[in-house]
Amino acid sequence: DQQVKQNSPSLSVQEGRISILNCDYTNSMFDYFLWYKKYPAEGPTFLISISSIKDKNEDGRFTVFLNKSAKHLSLHIVPSQPGDSAVYFCAARRSQFYFGTGTSLTVIP
Amino acid sequence: EPEVTQTPSHQVTQMGQEVILRCVPISNHLYFYWYRQILGQKVEFLVSFYNNEISEKSEIFDDQFSVERPDGSNFTLKIRSTKLEDSAMYFCASSVRGEDTGELFFGEGSRLTVL
Repeated sequence: DQQVKQNSPSLSVQEGRISILNCDYTNSMFDYFLWYKKYPAEGPTFLISISSIKDKNEDGRFTVFLNKSAKHLSLHIVPSQPGDSAVYFCAARRSQFYFGTGTSLTVIP
Repeated sequence: EPEVTQTPSHQVTQMGQEVILRCVPISNHLYFYWYRQILGQKVEFLVSFYNNEISEKSEIFDDQFSVERPDGSNFTLKIRSTKLEDSAMYFCASSVRGEDTGELFFGEGSRLTVL
């Protein structure tokens, strides 16, 4: 029962370019979507979120887009920096939080 | 900045032994959670806790698992008789729910190794 899917296990991007991480979900009842960043041996850290009633939320270099008709959300990081290298999890909330499997982003200097 | 703290950071135990993982959530948070991540796999929901009782649990959270908030600050996860497949990183999280996103704040995790 994989309600939140991240189909790309890894992504490599040149420093300064845009990183686009994708996430698909199946449950139309989710009310919030979140992105978390995780470094090895640390807990996930909240990055940015979006309500299901919006289609875009921006915070500095990070923008999350939500396409409800496609049940798809994406995280854009621009410009990408080497310190952004981490595993990114998308999560969706409906009473509890459902996490995707993560995408490992490597930003190449 | 307030944070969720977990102890121990790493515990090694023999199969069949009881394990207690401890967490101190952020003080004004109302909802508490345990998640786990088996190496290389997704972060999986175990249980949520609100108002001194379990509000939701996953199928992973069977009779071998229990949670407790014994003193108003600690939030513990007990595994009564550990199995090899319980080896994972266990994350405690807390949140303030309401009209905001109610995002989870995670601890650093407790790595459990069952031999």
